[in-house]
Amino acid sequence: DQQVKQNSPSLSVQEGRISILNCDYTNSMFDYFLWYKKYPAEGPTFLISISSIKDKNEDGRFTVFLNKSAKHLSLHIVPSQPGDSAVYFCAASPFFNKFYFGSGTKLNVKP
Amino acid sequence: SQTIHQWPATLVQPVGSPLSLECTVEGTSNPNLYWYRQAAGRGLQLLFYSVGIGQISSEVPQNLSASRPQDRQFILSSKKLLLSDSGFYLCAWTGGLAGINEQFFGPGTRLTVL
Repeated sequence: DQQVKQNSPSLSVQEGRISILNCDYTNSMFDYFLWYKKYPAEGPTFLISISSIKDKNEDGRFTVFLNKSAKHLSLHIVPSQPGDSAVYFCAASPFFNKFYFGSGTKLNVKP
Repeated sequence: SQTIHQWPATLVQPVGSPLSLECTVEGTSNPNLYWYRQAAGRGLQLLFYSVGIGQISSEVPQNLSASRPQDRQFILSSKKLLLSDSGFYLCAWTGGLAGINEQFFGPGTRLTVL
């Protein structure tokens, strides 16, 4: 039973526009959320995180929004660049010993 | 700075053969360590995690095992590989007592079981 879900396996966006990647979770005990970016044949790299006490966290072109009542988080990339093309994973943690990952969304940013 | 190493980078093994994948972390003490598997077209599945030497928590019952003989060393093993063990294996760490909450991943091992 998957506790973290990314229902869109792929997303295609034009360069310069906004990319919105979505993630849903089921466990109300999750209190820390992360986004990772992964290129083929490489390990994921940490992108941005948010604690459950916040509803928004920004880092440059990347913003993560958390809606606890809906158990939903999203990653916004503005403006999108071709180098952002990768697979994006969201992850959630009920405490810092365990992390649950979604199945990933493959983002393609077209020049 | 902290770094994480995994080897080998790629491995091709016959069904029924043993497996040993190694992961080491540098530049930190008392890390939490993790093994994940990414099967083709799927997300990251947590296999094992460890909060200290000799402490292993198993998330998925299967023919794999893990060991942590030293603080910064994490080993994934199997006595007899199955075809379904093919995948991309990732080791990761968090800061544990150092309070670093994000996970940092190694470069991964591509395992193909024939």
